[in-house]
Amino acid sequence: QPVLTQPPSASASLGASVTLTCALSSGYTNYKVDWYQQRPGMGPRFVMRVGTGGIVGSKGDGIPDRFSVWGSGLTRLLTIKNIQEEDEAVYYCGADHGTVSNFVAVFGGGTKLTVL
Amino acid sequence: QVRLVESGGALVQPGRSLRLSCAASGFTFDSYAMYWVRQAPGKGLEWVATISNDGTNIYHSVSVKGRFTISRDNSRNTLYLQMNSLRTADTAMYYCARAPWDDYGSYCDFWGQGTLVAVSS
Repeated sequence: QPVLTQPPSASASLGASVTLTCALSSGYTNYKVDWYQQRPGMGPRFVMRVGTGGIVGSKGDGIPDRFSVWGSGLTRLLTIKNIQEEDEAVYYCGADHGTVSNFVAVFGGGTKLTVL
Repeated sequence: QVRLVESGGALVQPGRSLRLSCAASGFTFDSYAMYWVRQAPGKGLEWVATISNDGTNIYHSVSVKGRFTISRDNSRNTLYLQMNSLRTADTAMYYCARAPWDDYGSYCDFWGQGTLVAVSS
């Protein structure tokens, strides 16, 4: 099964941009990854999916255009432009793997984004 | 609008059982797979279990296999998680999530607010 690795923390100033990374373990180059946002005290919220070359499907409900994704090789990126205070959250990437008879889902450890 | 409301969380002693429920509304429940995901205090997200839209395919994580069982009642628009032989390590907020499934796989597009399970003597 894939292992997803995320740096534990990131920070950016109000109005700036930040790119969060999610690294897939070796051998999973073609996998899509799902990005989730979890604000303090809230349940997770779906942001969007990303494969090699960009977004897969549509963004989650209410996700602003400031959020975008890109993927290449084993790296999946979430970029947030013009950062706002409400973007301060923990961002998780997730993926699933397997067949009808054998399925697992995994999450990265999360990156806590601090807005300065 | 899509709504998922978890219930059934409680403080229980190790070795006891608990059943969580997730009431779904605002969408055609039997068209979607469903997930349970948990989050221990101060920790990240951990996949617990997934069930297909019609309940014929179920999957559990290694950490809960043999102790927890995911199920659903499509006539009641409700998802369940039967938790047996609870351990202190099962202490967490438990979330249910709706999971569309396409050629790229599944993902959780709507989540509930969670129900808290605390296992302690």
